[in-house]
Amino acid sequence: GDSVTQMEGPVTLSEEAFLTINCTYTATGYPSLFWYVQYPGEGLQLLLKATKADDKGSNKGFEATYRKETTSFHLEKGSVQVSDSAVYFCALSSRNQFYFGTGTSLTVIP
Amino acid sequence: DSGVTQTPKHLITATGQRVTLRCSPRSGDLSVYWYQQSLDQGLQFLIQYYNGEERAKGNILERFSAQQFPDLHSELNLSSLELGDSALYFCASSPTWGRNTEAFFGQGTRLTVV
Repeated sequence: GDSVTQMEGPVTLSEEAFLTINCTYTATGYPSLFWYVQYPGEGLQLLLKATKADDKGSNKGFEATYRKETTSFHLEKGSVQVSDSAVYFCALSSRNQFYFGTGTSLTVIP
Repeated sequence: DSGVTQTPKHLITATGQRVTLRCSPRSGDLSVYWYQQSLDQGLQFLIQYYNGEERAKGNILERFSAQQFPDLHSELNLSSLELGDSALYFCASSPTWGRNTEAFFGQGTRLTVV
């Protein structure tokens, strides 16, 4: 079945450090891929998405590229801020379901 | 604000009781999804409705049921509650369903079973 495997956390970084959160997927067909972010006490918010191979999604300095050859959609940011502290979920959409990874908790310290 | 409204925000109830969680999707969205988020299980898909019809079912217990009404709001009914049912329950909505659809999440209902 379809699934998403996400890098285990928690991740702690200093402000202005480079961030990578790994995500790989298994899917039949051609899914769309998403990163969602959950700030403390809130629901999940869409961060970025990509709908086909080689697409790059970007938002708020975050980027992820849909790599069909490696079945990956890694999240990156060049310089993290304290306000980026949150839980990040990788997800795929295929047919009529969303499949979420387990989430990666990121803490950015000043 | 995602436009998805969930009520109540918090609910505390005793074991064996029954509760109903309510979700109003974004205006125009026909699909509603329910998820359970607990510390040890992550985000678990429960069930999806599209325009009043059940489209997909995930790890939903037999004690749980849901429905989507003609005005497109949805309710998740949880009965014979157990301590392990304590979790955050999220509703999400999308305009349609399928691979290119993105979901918009509500703020969740935090259920505590004591």
